[in-house]
Amino acid sequence: ELKVEQNPLFLSMQEGKNYTIYCNYSTTSDRLYWYRQDPGKSLESLFVLLSNGAVKQEGRLMASLDTKARLSTLHITAAVHDLSATYFCAVDGGTYKYIFGTGTRLKVLA
Amino acid sequence: GAVVSQHPSWVICKSGTSVKIECRSLDFQATTMFWYRQFPKQSLMLMATSNEGSKATYEQGVEKDKFLINHASLTLSTLTVTSAHPEDSSFYICSARDVGGAGYEQYFGPGTRLTVT
Repeated sequence: ELKVEQNPLFLSMQEGKNYTIYCNYSTTSDRLYWYRQDPGKSLESLFVLLSNGAVKQEGRLMASLDTKARLSTLHITAAVHDLSATYFCAVDGGTYKYIFGTGTRLKVLA
Repeated sequence: GAVVSQHPSWVICKSGTSVKIECRSLDFQATTMFWYRQFPKQSLMLMATSNEGSKATYEQGVEKDKFLINHASLTLSTLTVTSAHPEDSSFYICSARDVGGAGYEQYFGPGTRLTVT
């Protein structure tokens, strides 16, 4: 059974600081997705990672995928308050079913 | 492109009644749609996979007689929560897979918040 874990679960950081969120998964998969969720809202797609070594960047966020280590990272550079949200990774568990990570609730303090 | 809508966006119903939630792919065809449930401050849990023209596949622990799924067309799937109880109160999110695209990515709807009183 595919399990997806994220850490940390909660992250409180100062504006301007850097930090990394980790997403570990238990079985082989070549497709991993990152989403942002604001309170009371659905998911906003951030990144689609489709192969080993994939790296994508958008603004202050950068995501990478290491399929051999079964690990993806979401790196935040010079955080700003607007990045406060919950971030989820999701792994394609086969037959296009997504298994979501536990989520990381990020709070950026001004 | 790749827009998914849900209706209603929120609903309040009394215990024992049934409520239907619609999920539509607006600008693409979706042979497969997925239904997720999210409790407050928790992750999304996949409930079932809905396939156009065939029976839904439910995840372990999800009662298929309680959560009825119908996927009658390539753009519409419905989830009916039957005999709802307060513990069914949750945020229900659907997603759809675009058969015309690469096929692997799911596009998520805006969610439906169900409150059972």
